[in-house]
Amino acid sequence: DIQMTQSPSSLSASVGDRVTITCRASQTITNYLNWYQQKPGKAPKLLIYAASSLQSGVPSRFSGSGSGTDFTLTISSLQPEDFATYYCQQSYSTPRTFGQGTKVEIK
Amino acid sequence: QVQLVQSGVEVKKPGASVKVSCKASGYTFTSYGISWVRQAPGQGLEWMGWISAYNGNTNYAQKLQGRVTMTTDTSTSTAYMDVRSLRSDDTAVYYCARDSMGKYGSGSYSCFDYWGQGTLVTVSS
Repeated sequence: DIQMTQSPSSLSASVGDRVTITCRASQTITNYLNWYQQKPGKAPKLLIYAASSLQSGVPSRFSGSGSGTDFTLTISSLQPEDFATYYCQQSYSTPRTFGQGTKVEIK
Repeated sequence: QVQLVQSGVEVKKPGASVKVSCKASGYTFTSYGISWVRQAPGQGLEWMGWISAYNGNTNYAQKLQGRVTMTTDTSTSTAYMDVRSLRSDDTAVYYCARDSMGKYGSGSYSCFDYWGQGTLVTVSS
């Protein structure tokens, strides 16, 4: 199975901050990497697919980059509605696997 | 608009079975697969498996092999997930998600682009 490791596990940030979350795969996954946002009590929401493609309707302050084993999700200017948990997920092979999540909290 | 609507809360005893439904609307059901993902309380996301709504092919996570069955009813655009021999560590919110695959430019992608609202399954004696 491909292991996905996110860092950090949690972070505190202020509105307007630039936030970066990293995700590392245990083997190459080319660009088969997706990012999801989950708020408490809600289903995950797709933000980024294929490492850097913005899902329709997602604000442009979200961006993704990377290929191979190392990937990044960036929020250019954190907004109040962005406080949530973020997960990366590989779709290179089955079983599909997720990172452990990064909780973004208000500073 | 695309919607996946799941069945309601379930409370089961250890050893019992549970069947969760996921009714799709707003798209051609047989053009996509459905994946099931679960989340134990306070924990991360775990992929359980996938079913093609086109031909019923399945791919299950190895740890659940033999205990889980995924099916679809194309006449009602509904996917089902059946888990048998329930244990306390099966307590979780179970999500269905549309498994979307496609091509863009010179590449291809696969992602879960729409999700159901989740179904809480509690296993307790």
